[in-house]
Amino acid sequence: GIQVEQSPPDLILQEGANSTLRCNFSDSVNNLQWFHQNPWGQLINLFYIPSGTKQNGRLSATTVATERYSLLYISSSQTTDSGVYFCAVEPSGAGSYQLTFGKGTKLSVIP
Amino acid sequence: SAVISQKPSRDICQRGTSLTIQCQVDSQVTMMFWYRQQPGQSLTLIATANQGSEATYESGFVIDKFPISRPNLTFSTLTVSNMSPEDSSIYLCSVGRSGTIYFGEGSWLTVV
Repeated sequence: GIQVEQSPPDLILQEGANSTLRCNFSDSVNNLQWFHQNPWGQLINLFYIPSGTKQNGRLSATTVATERYSLLYISSSQTTDSGVYFCAVEPSGAGSYQLTFGKGTKLSVIP
Repeated sequence: SAVISQKPSRDICQRGTSLTIQCQVDSQVTMMFWYRQQPGQSLTLIATANQGSEATYESGFVIDKFPISRPNLTFSTLTVSNMSPEDSSIYLCSVGRSGTIYFGEGSWLTVV
């Protein structure tokens, strides 16, 4: 099956710093989503981004489908950004909305 | 967006017992999905639940252990049967709408 690799696995930032999280995937996909899981376990959908670039406030994401990677940018990080960021893909040929997740990047933002 | 409610939100269960998790969606959807997240791990798809047909299970998950019901287009249940400590996990249901995928709050199960 498709492989989804995220890097770095862990990241510690000072509040106010910027960061880039990466997601590589091994095969073509219909769909790619970025999620944030907060310390209480809730999964929040950040971006639906099978290709191109999107921005939402301090967050932005870019997916280059032809090169099989996606990037999530966090600017001016805040302590509330802490948690685990997951990249998840819907492989081409799989059922709609069936996701394969990467292992996540655990982000800790310290004051 | 989609509003998804799960029950229970948390439970502590005795080894050998079974627990049923409920997932309610605010509007009709064709497919509902069940995922498991073991402690400190990523999410793994357990099965896809379609209304009116048997659920489709992913490799490593079987119906006897994780029976699923889908009685209508807004509701599904997942039962975790004959639980062992290895079943301690967050169980999440999800749906898709207009390309975006939404998750319920999750059901945290601890098996003792």
